[in-house]
Amino acid sequence: DVKVTQSSRYLVKRTGEKVFLECVQDMDHENMFWYRQDPGLGLRLIYFSYDVKMKEKGDIPEGYSVSREKKERFSLILESASTNQTSMYLCATHPPTDTQYFGPGTRLTVL
Amino acid sequence: GENVEQHPSTLSVQEGDSAVIKCTYSDSASNYFPWYKQELGKGPQLIIDIRSNVGEKKDQRIAVTLNKTAKHFSLHITETQPEDSAVYFCAVQKGGFQKLVFGTGTRLLVSP
Repeated sequence: DVKVTQSSRYLVKRTGEKVFLECVQDMDHENMFWYRQDPGLGLRLIYFSYDVKMKEKGDIPEGYSVSREKKERFSLILESASTNQTSMYLCATHPPTDTQYFGPGTRLTVL
Repeated sequence: GENVEQHPSTLSVQEGDSAVIKCTYSDSASNYFPWYKQELGKGPQLIIDIRSNVGEKKDQRIAVTLNKTAKHFSLHITETQPEDSAVYFCAVQKGGFQKLVFGTGTRLLVSP
């Protein structure tokens, strides 16, 4: 079974803090994705990566950056957290001939 | 870019009834259409998918139909059970890199 883990299920941070969300997959997949999920808006793609040290902007990259130093790990970084970044963050991996597999999500609250 | 609309946003049915969720897309080059189920506190999980060379696919109580001409596809759940209660997302992929564009989700509530 594909396993995608995210470092925290719940996270509370203050405005202006630097926030790291970690995602790890155990299947050696090249493609990894970060989404945010908000009620009524579905899942929106923030960034994706198709290889180590490679990254591409998704639909809503503003205020975020990513890091992919190792194939199994894809990190989402909020350089200076703001209240409008309060959301559910989902990481996913995508094997070559299959669909995306999601982690359990991190619910981030920025106060 | 691709635009995916999903309806309804909420759906309440009685146990044993059927439920239908519909999605429309804009890019005729899209060729892969998965459906995900998200239970409370979990990430979305694939429940069924269909590719553009197929018109219908069934897996026990769930089925997906695709109308490429009209650019819409639907999820059908028969004999609904309380454990079917969840949020359902449709998605669309257009070849190439495997990016998915998601619908806005449907909250299904099945009452005993």
